[in-house]
Amino acid sequence: SQQGEEDPQALSIQEGENATMNCSYKTSINNLQWYRQNSGRGLVHLILIRSNEREKHSGRLRVTLDTSKKSSSLLITASRAADTASYFCATDALITGGGNKLTFGTGTQLKVEL
Amino acid sequence: KAGVTQTPRYLIKTRGQQVTLSCSPISGHRSVSWYQQTPGQGLQFLFEYFSETQRNKGNFPGRFSGRQFSNSRSEMNVSTLELGDSALYLCASSLRLSIGSGDTQYFGPGTRLTVL
Repeated sequence: SQQGEEDPQALSIQEGENATMNCSYKTSINNLQWYRQNSGRGLVHLILIRSNEREKHSGRLRVTLDTSKKSSSLLITASRAADTASYFCATDALITGGGNKLTFGTGTQLKVEL
Repeated sequence: KAGVTQTPRYLIKTRGQQVTLSCSPISGHRSVSWYQQTPGQGLQFLFEYFSETQRNKGNFPGRFSGRQFSNSRSEMNVSTLELGDSALYLCASSLRLSIGSGDTQYFGPGTRLTVL
């Protein structure tokens, strides 16, 4: 089962505009990661934010995390046509004994038009 | 450094057959996880292997199994294939520096399995 929802499900913007995607999750987490996927291909890691962090930047990406609301947002500034892809948030929950187990959101399909 | 590689990239099987998919992690990575992606269920965790031991398992039937070798390469096997097993199977590797820290998982390109 999926951890939570992403909002919006689809987003269409013009090149140069900013794109914001939101992610909600259900359980306590160790960290939250954002991934990009182009046309059903492999996932590309974008950014990881730990549960004790509130905001993180990487190039044109800005991620925020609010653990009290169990939500995160991904902002892509000055979008480009090449940013057209599906974006997924994934939570790495606290597992007794450790281990990696990412639980993915439903994804946001971003289309950036020229 | 080479990324995560998966073979084969595409596979067509018929119902009732079995299939084995292979994943080679990034050099030095000891954790390998498998995920299934379908249009209906999205991305779902199958299992994780670390140092040849299955550490975590998702909610999939016993027809789905896996293993990890001493060089960290991993295979997953699906027996008695069903139409619903058609999916993109993704493998991911990570360093796993310490338990509980959580770290970035790097994904391979996936194997597209079609069951007829």
